[in-house]
Amino acid sequence: DGGITQSPKYLFRKEGQNVTLSCEQNLNHDAMYWYRQDPGQGLRLIYYSQIVNDFQKGDIAEGYSVSREKKESFPLTVTSAQKNPTAFYLCASSIGGKTEAFFGQGTRLTVV
Amino acid sequence: GQNIDQPTEMTATEGAIVQINCTYQTSGFNGLFWYQQHAGEAPTFLSYNVLDGLEEKGRFSSFLSRSKGYSYLLLKELQMKDSASYLCAVRDGTGGFKTIFGAGTRLFVKA
Repeated sequence: DGGITQSPKYLFRKEGQNVTLSCEQNLNHDAMYWYRQDPGQGLRLIYYSQIVNDFQKGDIAEGYSVSREKKESFPLTVTSAQKNPTAFYLCASSIGGKTEAFFGQGTRLTVV
Repeated sequence: GQNIDQPTEMTATEGAIVQINCTYQTSGFNGLFWYQQHAGEAPTFLSYNVLDGLEEKGRFSSFLSRSKGYSYLLLKELQMKDSASYLCAVRDGTGGFKTIFGAGTRLFVKA
């Protein structure tokens, strides 16, 4: 079955540690996105990538980094520079700019 | 600046009709999306409008007026399972695939 997979579903890390969230898709989509969602709020764009080996900052990129070495994969690293990393992180992909996004099930990151 | 506004919460009765409004101000426009999100889950796609007018899909319809920067999502024959957040999202027209989401409208359907 085609889809977009995020792992793990729940992640706990100590403050000051970097952590990498995985996102894999087998939909053959060119575009991939990372969003952050805080309780009771909408989605805020962290990074997006329109094609392999290219990515753009979203609205809240500070403290995060990404790579897009393969079409299927778009991992997100939450660095120690991110001041408030505890949140629900959603990865998504789309065929192009005018089509809907398909979302993964999300990773709930808690930093203690 | 870029801004998308939706009501924070709405309550409606099972079997009724509800309209969720969305107004937007973005640096460009390349389509408007509506997504449904149940608590703790991923958003799922409902509708896409790029031209003015009404798009109907079963119990759900979405309307767009580009000149007014306005859209609404219409849900008919409400069911309890429609209790969820509804997210309005605009893909900007600056040449990229950047999509901006509103904060979402939490809909409560009561019996």
